[in-house]
Amino acid sequence: NAGVTQTPKFRVLKTGQSMTLLCAQDMNHEYMYWYRQDPGMGLRLIHYSVGEGTTAKGEVPDGYNVSRLKKQNFLLGLESAAPSQTSVYFCASNSRGYSSTQYFGPGTRLTVL
Amino acid sequence: SQQGEEDPQALSIQEGENATMNCSYKTSINNLQWYRQNSGRGLVHLILIRSNEREKHSGRLRVTLDTSKKSSSLLITASRAADTASYFCATDAGRGNKLVFGAGTILRVKS
Repeated sequence: NAGVTQTPKFRVLKTGQSMTLLCAQDMNHEYMYWYRQDPGMGLRLIHYSVGEGTTAKGEVPDGYNVSRLKKQNFLLGLESAAPSQTSVYFCASNSRGYSSTQYFGPGTRLTVL
Repeated sequence: SQQGEEDPQALSIQEGENATMNCSYKTSINNLQWYRQNSGRGLVHLILIRSNEREKHSGRLRVTLDTSKKSSSLLITASRAADTASYFCATDAGRGNKLVFGAGTILRVKS
């Protein structure tokens, strides 16, 4: 099993450009999450999904949109990138249940100039 | 907003020594988890302790939880250079398995 994979690994955008980050998991997990990590800070939740076709806002959703059309994929979109969105983005997934261990992807490093 | 606050922010020790990291949180929790992040990599789950547990072991890791003080500690015994990483605590306080992460402790183990 590949676990959680993220595409791309690195990206540089100009202010105002758009892009989509792809997260894929092969563990048949119901829950998927997008986080951002900034220097000196922990992870902050952007959006999450509790199942195919569902999405919900996390702590810092502004400027981002998400879609979960297939159970195994969770897409994060930036419609008009801003320098404040320069960050490392992590996707994670887990199954339902009390034991809420999350499995993380390797991250996408995004720079917005 | 961050629920967990780790202490210290950074820790530097010699190989073979023990490393202790602490985490404090603000609200009631279902469980508390510790994750490790090597430089430039994703987070890896280390251990989960439920609110009705007080201590848990996994290999060289020992985690304690004091719900009355809203705090947890992670002890790594006989540290190795490979333990050099950032360590995060995360609390699970509600539905949807949403975790809230602290800012992390950077551990450096010198050989």
